[in-house]
Amino acid sequence: AQKVTQAQTEISVVEKEDVTLDCVYETRDTTYYLFWYKQPPSGELVFLIRRNSFDEQNEISGRYSWNFQKSTSSFNFTITASQVVDSAVYFCALSGNDYKLSFGAGTTVTVRA
Amino acid sequence: SAVISQKPSRDICQRGTSLTIQCQVDSQVTMMFWYRQQPGQSLTLIATANQGSEATYESGFVIDKFPISRPNLTFSTLTVSNMSPEDSSIYLCSDRVVDDYGYTFGSGTRLTVV
Repeated sequence: AQKVTQAQTEISVVEKEDVTLDCVYETRDTTYYLFWYKQPPSGELVFLIRRNSFDEQNEISGRYSWNFQKSTSSFNFTITASQVVDSAVYFCALSGNDYKLSFGAGTTVTVRA
Repeated sequence: SAVISQKPSRDICQRGTSLTIQCQVDSQVTMMFWYRQQPGQSLTLIATANQGSEATYESGFVIDKFPISRPNLTFSTLTVSNMSPEDSSIYLCSDRVVDDYGYTFGSGTRLTVV
């Protein structure tokens, strides 16, 4: 069974601060994919990033960056210089050999002007 | 990546009635999924919609309550049957793009049962 844990329920920051979202996962599969999604108040799911289990290279894409560490089963996500439009619920998700996505509980990010 | 059109976007229904949600994908996809998101909660997988055969349901979900059809590789429906207020949720469909290892989601159906 796969499990995704997002320990942070809510994070509140002032605009321009950095926000780091934690994600810890459990899986027995050797090949798997990790994802981050954003869900604004309108309800749609917006894909942010994807990483496969064989690629631990950490990258930066605009204001987004991620830190994937297999040794600690963590896939953390950072928003640099946050903006009010970043306010949303962020979900970490995992898919393995059965191709089903397992979602974490979500972290609500509030960015105050 | 594929684009999914999901409808209706929202509905308010009377208890005891049924609602059918449709998802149309703009290309053929191998796998389609249906999720439920209860208020303030995460997404929970209801079932995998299989083309030409019965859907595969997750624990806690049954076909009588959530019948699913997938007549071809681009279309699927989820029916929420005999609704009660506890069924008030956002329902989302998703597909898996095989070559891309990614997932596309419909825009969701926000259901309120009164």
